[in-house]
Amino acid sequence: DVVLTQTPPTLSATIGQSVSISCRSSQSLLHSNGNTYLHWLLQRPGQSPQLLIYLVSRLESGVPNRFSGSGSGTDFTLKISGVEAEDLGVYYCVQGTHAPYTFGAGTKLELK
Amino acid sequence: QVNLLQSGAALVKPGASVKLSCKASGYTFTDYYIHWVKQSHGKSLEWIGYINPNSGYTNYNEKFKSKATLTVDKSTNTAYMELSRLTSEDSATYYCTRRGGFDYWGQGVMVTVSS
Repeated sequence: DVVLTQTPPTLSATIGQSVSISCRSSQSLLHSNGNTYLHWLLQRPGQSPQLLIYLVSRLESGVPNRFSGSGSGTDFTLKISGVEAEDLGVYYCVQGTHAPYTFGAGTKLELK
Repeated sequence: QVNLLQSGAALVKPGASVKLSCKASGYTFTDYYIHWVKQSHGKSLEWIGYINPNSGYTNYNEKFKSKATLTVDKSTNTAYMELSRLTSEDSATYYCTRRGGFDYWGQGVMVTVSS
C-alpha cells in the first residue's frame, strides 16, 4: 500500500501566521491518465472531514482561497496563508491513484 | 444541497453483525460512487471500499474484504455497509462519503462492540 507521510504531526500557529504541511508519498501519485489523485481534508474537532483541495491544487467550492495546494510526483504541500481560528483541527492528505486509497496520519493545527 | 445522512450509533455484541445506512439526497444518487471510511478513536482514517450505486460494482480494501459488505437500494437512494463477526477492533466511527474526491461526508456513526 502507498504510505503517505505527513509532517509536522503538530503545528502551533498564531492567528494570521502562514503555515505549510508536507505530505510525502512512498510512490509517485501520477496516474497513467495524467491526473494526480492527491487531496487534502480538514477535520475540525467533533466533525466529519471536509474536502479542501482536490487533485493537488484545485480549491473545493466554498473553501477560502487562503488554502492552496502544490506539488507533484511524491511531494505535496498544503499552505494556509493567514491562519484563522476556524482553521484549527486535523489535516489529512489522501491518495486515490493506487488501490487501496490511503490517508496520511494527520497534522494537528493548534493555536499558539 | 447534497446531504449524506447516516444511521444512529450502534452498540453490538462481539461476534454479531451490524448494518449501517447512508441515505443520499440533493443529487442523482447513481451518478457518484459511495465510499466508506473507518476512523478508530483518536486515529487516522482507513478506506474500506466503494460501491457504484448504478451497477452495484464494489471495490474493497483487501484488509476489509472479509469484514465489510457494501450494497445499495436505488429505490431509496441509500447505501449500506454490513460489518460481520464484530470484535473490539471494529469499534470505531464509520463514515460514508461521496466519490473518490470525498467531496461530501456523512455525519459518521459510532459503532461500539462490547458484551
